[in-house]
Amino acid sequence: TQLLEQSPQFLSIQEGENLTVYCNSSSVFSSLQWYRQEPGEGPVLLVTVVTGGEVKKLKRLTFQFGDARKDSSLHITAAQPGDTGLYLCAGEDNYGQNFVFGPGTRLSVLP
Amino acid sequence: ETGVTQTPRHLVMGMTNKKSLKCEQHLGHNAMYWYKQSAKKPLELMFVYSLEERVENNSVPSRFSPECPNSSHLFLHLHTLQPEDSALYLCASSQDPTGNYGYTFGSGTRLTVV
Repeated sequence: TQLLEQSPQFLSIQEGENLTVYCNSSSVFSSLQWYRQEPGEGPVLLVTVVTGGEVKKLKRLTFQFGDARKDSSLHITAAQPGDTGLYLCAGEDNYGQNFVFGPGTRLSVLP
Repeated sequence: ETGVTQTPRHLVMGMTNKKSLKCEQHLGHNAMYWYKQSAKKPLELMFVYSLEERVENNSVPSRFSPECPNSSHLFLHLHTLQPEDSALYLCASSQDPTGNYGYTFGSGTRLTVV
């Protein structure tokens, strides 16, 4: 079973700051997804990246898939308290046999 | 109603009780899942159903018993649980079992076993 690692595990920042969180694996993934989970709710899909080197933007969020399709990053510009939550990456291995979630990065944006 | 709906939102049960969790989706998705989310652990896949047939069971103890009567409904029957089974149980659906199109999750059932 392939593992996805996420860093940092916890992040607490002030409103208006920028941040980047990472999702890494030693294995190649055919695609990676990012989810945000708010307290008391289920994860919500933010984006899917498929092509190595791909960059996708969702308002203040920028997602990048590594060239080798083993890692991904999520950058948030000018963070807001509404960005608070658990950010999960998830992906399917290159053989289409395993779909796994990372442990998540818990982000807290203070007003 | 759209999306994935789970009931109840909260459940407290004794170790000798029998209870069921319910999940319903009206998205026309063909696959449904049960996940367990515990503190400090990644999401753990428990069961996968594709077109009402179970396609995966990740070595889940028999005290958890899933049921999928049709493509829109999924149940998780619970009996003689242990305190370590306390967790958030999430139901999800997707267009197909690969998960490539992304999952739509419900809000979860917060289960406490006393």
